[in-house]
Amino acid sequence: ILNVEQSPQSLHVQEGDSTNFTCSFPSSNFYALHWYRWETAKSPEALFVMTLNGDEKKKGRISATLNTKEGYSYLYIKGSQPEDSATYLCASLPSNSGGSNYKLTFGKGTLLTVNP
Amino acid sequence: GAVVSQHPSRVICKSGTSVKIECRSLDFQATTMFWYRQFPKQSLMLMATSNEGSKATYEQGVEKDKFLINHASLTLSTLTVTSAHPEDSSFYICSARERRPYEQYFGPGTRLTVT
Repeated sequence: ILNVEQSPQSLHVQEGDSTNFTCSFPSSNFYALHWYRWETAKSPEALFVMTLNGDEKKKGRISATLNTKEGYSYLYIKGSQPEDSATYLCASLPSNSGGSNYKLTFGKGTLLTVNP
Repeated sequence: GAVVSQHPSRVICKSGTSVKIECRSLDFQATTMFWYRQFPKQSLMLMATSNEGSKATYEQGVEKDKFLINHASLTLSTLTVTSAHPEDSSFYICSARERRPYEQYFGPGTRLTVT
């Protein structure tokens, strides 16, 4: 994988459903993986920054896992609520990211719609 | 969390005019600011990186004379789209990073339409 890829591109779930989506990134030259939540007309909100293989992070009903060896991360939302509706972005930071080389590479995002 | 503001949120301008977009870090000092552009259904693409008091570093394919970036202070960066053309119509979003590692905060973005 050369780029950051997210799937699915969009999904619709019912309130109360649990859901998950995937971010794939280049496993070589990896430093960190960011997840952002982006609501329309607002700033992307940082959810997690993950660096270690096997890392798991949780924030309320949202959690994420990281596999740096195979180059993927999963984002899980338990008991989705309408206010979870947003675009979820992931971004990879390569290991040569010191100084002026600090560059996040973004996926296209997963648009989640939670129907009441 | 840290807050980044961006103005204007929307701007419509005529072809050939210039447009300035401001990005401010409101409650922290941003050692580095980033400018991204996003076309419909595409990912955020980095245009340039700027450090306070120094010239911006532009990504390959981004015209530095067309997209002027000024990072005059630790809380303010501006992007000026000079002699705008319809193909410059896009969503522009800034981001700021403070000294702590990994953390990068975004503004809400600016929708530019060039007629």
